[in-house]
Amino acid sequence: AQKVTQAQTEISVVEKEDVTLDCVYETRDTTYYLFWYKQPPSGELVFLIRRNSFDEQNEISGRYSWNFQKSTSSFNFTITASQVVDSAVYFCALSGVPNQGGKLIFGQGTELSVKP
Amino acid sequence: SQTIHQWPATLVQPVGSPLSLECTVEGTSNPNLYWYRQAAGRGLQLLFYSVGIGQISSEVPQNLSASRPQDRQFILSSKKLLLSDSGFYLCALKGGSNSPLHFGNGTRLTVT
Repeated sequence: AQKVTQAQTEISVVEKEDVTLDCVYETRDTTYYLFWYKQPPSGELVFLIRRNSFDEQNEISGRYSWNFQKSTSSFNFTITASQVVDSAVYFCALSGVPNQGGKLIFGQGTELSVKP
Repeated sequence: SQTIHQWPATLVQPVGSPLSLECTVEGTSNPNLYWYRQAAGRGLQLLFYSVGIGQISSEVPQNLSASRPQDRQFILSSKKLLLSDSGFYLCALKGGSNSPLHFGNGTRLTVT
């Protein structure tokens, strides 16, 4: 069975601090996709990144970076120099290849609060 | 660009009343469409998905149903709402094999 665990329910940081959101996944598929979505207070889910299981290169996009390690089944997300606008619930998700990212298994989310 | 329209944004309905939530998409043809529900505990769960007109797959047994009468229209319905149907309902589309899943703004349903 597929499962995504985000052990951190809530994180609170002060602006400009770096913060890492943890994601651990379980799957028997040899090929799969991992995702991160952001849900701001307005409620919509904003796509941040998709990574397939064959690409273990870390990725950086501005203040955001992602560390994918198959050996530990983890796909962690780091925000550098956090800002108040980063406050949101962040979801890690997993899908198998046949559906290529439509049928997502979501973690329970991590609520990040960035205080000024 | 792809756009997802969901309405209404919020809805309060009594137990036993019917439900119809509509999702329409623009900027894409023959998308895969999805209904997800987010309960109070924050986790999102896939309810239904559709790969084409009239084609509906249900992921979990429940009080709800879905229909896809047109290529860019996806409807979530219930004949009689239960308290447990309360939640945040999100429509999503996938425009192609290399496209990520994009979500609409959602409908917050409260069943009283």
